[in-house]
Amino acid sequence: AQRVTQPEKLLSVFKGAPVELKCNYSYSGSPELFWYVQYSRQRLQLLLRHISRESIKGFTADLNKGETSFHLKKPFAQEEDSAMYYCALEVEYGNKLVFGAGTILRVKS
Amino acid sequence: DAGVTQSPTHLIKTRGQQVTLRCSPISGHKSVSWYQQVLGQGPQFIFQYYEKEERGRGNFPDRFSARQFPNYSSELNVNALLLGDSALYLCASSLTGSTSSYEQYFGPGTRLTVT
Repeated sequence: AQRVTQPEKLLSVFKGAPVELKCNYSYSGSPELFWYVQYSRQRLQLLLRHISRESIKGFTADLNKGETSFHLKKPFAQEEDSAMYYCALEVEYGNKLVFGAGTILRVKS
Repeated sequence: DAGVTQSPTHLIKTRGQQVTLRCSPISGHKSVSWYQQVLGQGPQFIFQYYEKEERGRGNFPDRFSARQFPNYSSELNVNALLLGDSALYLCASSLTGSTSSYEQYFGPGTRLTVT
């Protein structure tokens, strides 16, 4: 079965603290994974994808096929990082994305 | 470009009725996907259309249907509405049909409430 699990509904950290948003997936094929972010009153938007190996807004994510994980990390959280974060898995060919339930990140000052 | 646009913004319907939701992709984008987002959950894939042909379908009943027009805009139709169809319906567009090649851009969504 194709599934994305984000175990934390809410992650609350202080400004300047490290952040790790967890994502685990279940997929028999070769996974293509993404992190999407939704800031307050804004649209869902792509944050990063594993194939590009980019660092966006200080966030990175490494695909670990052995642990079937794609955790999102940032060394020093900022207040503007507060948002809803979704991990997503592309299945089959095309735009079919399977999303996790999302994690709310709250960065406190 | 205003990005992906969806209409209407909000909609209230009664059980058993039919509804049509509309989506206009970013200019030049040929692929449109539809997602249903129930409160507290992540978006769930319904359909993908590319070059006016259905390229993918999620696990939704036949009450759900969609189409894409020559200008690449799209409509999602839901017949015989149930209370459980109440959700935010998201449309996303991309240049082609492959997410891993091109980014999907999401619209603001249509909030459907079924009473």
